[in-house]
Amino acid sequence: DTAVSQTPKYLVTQMGNDKSIKCEQNLGHDTMYWYKQDSKKFLKIMFSYNNKELIINETVPNRFSPKSPDKAHLNLHINSLELGDSAVYFCASSQDRLGNTIYFGEGSWLTVV
Amino acid sequence: DQQVKQNSPSLSVQEGRISILNCDYTNSMFDYFLWYKKYPAEGPTFLISISSIKDKNEDGRFTVFLNKSAKHLSLHIVPSQPGDSAVYFCAASEETSGSRLTFGEGTQLTVNP
Repeated sequence: DTAVSQTPKYLVTQMGNDKSIKCEQNLGHDTMYWYKQDSKKFLKIMFSYNNKELIINETVPNRFSPKSPDKAHLNLHINSLELGDSAVYFCASSQDRLGNTIYFGEGSWLTVV
Repeated sequence: DQQVKQNSPSLSVQEGRISILNCDYTNSMFDYFLWYKKYPAEGPTFLISISSIKDKNEDGRFTVFLNKSAKHLSLHIVPSQPGDSAVYFCAASEETSGSRLTFGEGTQLTVNP
């Protein structure tokens, strides 16, 4: 009974392709996030949505576009994939926008070749 | 500009002994601190947190200490168990930034039987 689930878990794709990673949470949380863990293992926030409203948008290329059809879902679309986009992407959620405790999904390993 | 730093990439401890993981931060506006544990191929899971109005928080075998003047926090695990072997991330947030967590780069803890 996974609280934050994201698919796919592994994705290998070619440069220039467009891909999406889906995320769903069944915790009833209002806020959802996308984090990126890069090759140096740093976890950095990319986006945050609260009740379908974008509240955090870090300096991320506009090839990355989050979409939140409802507060239980936050999908990440990436256009024109580049080699440097290879990373682990974590979806997460929290009760509210204060986000004092954030629950993470298992991660999606994206490899761009 | 890494505002949260974990200077030890790895730590090895004998089962039953104490594990001490350290974390330093530079942003004096941080007022809430968390520790996350991460197993391979899984997302980070929340472990323990502390607000800046406290200097210690304890939960079972886990204790977090905060030294605001030194901008330093530490996680103590005692007694350490082999199942504690994981990567531990320190994270911090400031109230005004809401749900934006800034993570350290993680420390790999290995507890040897």
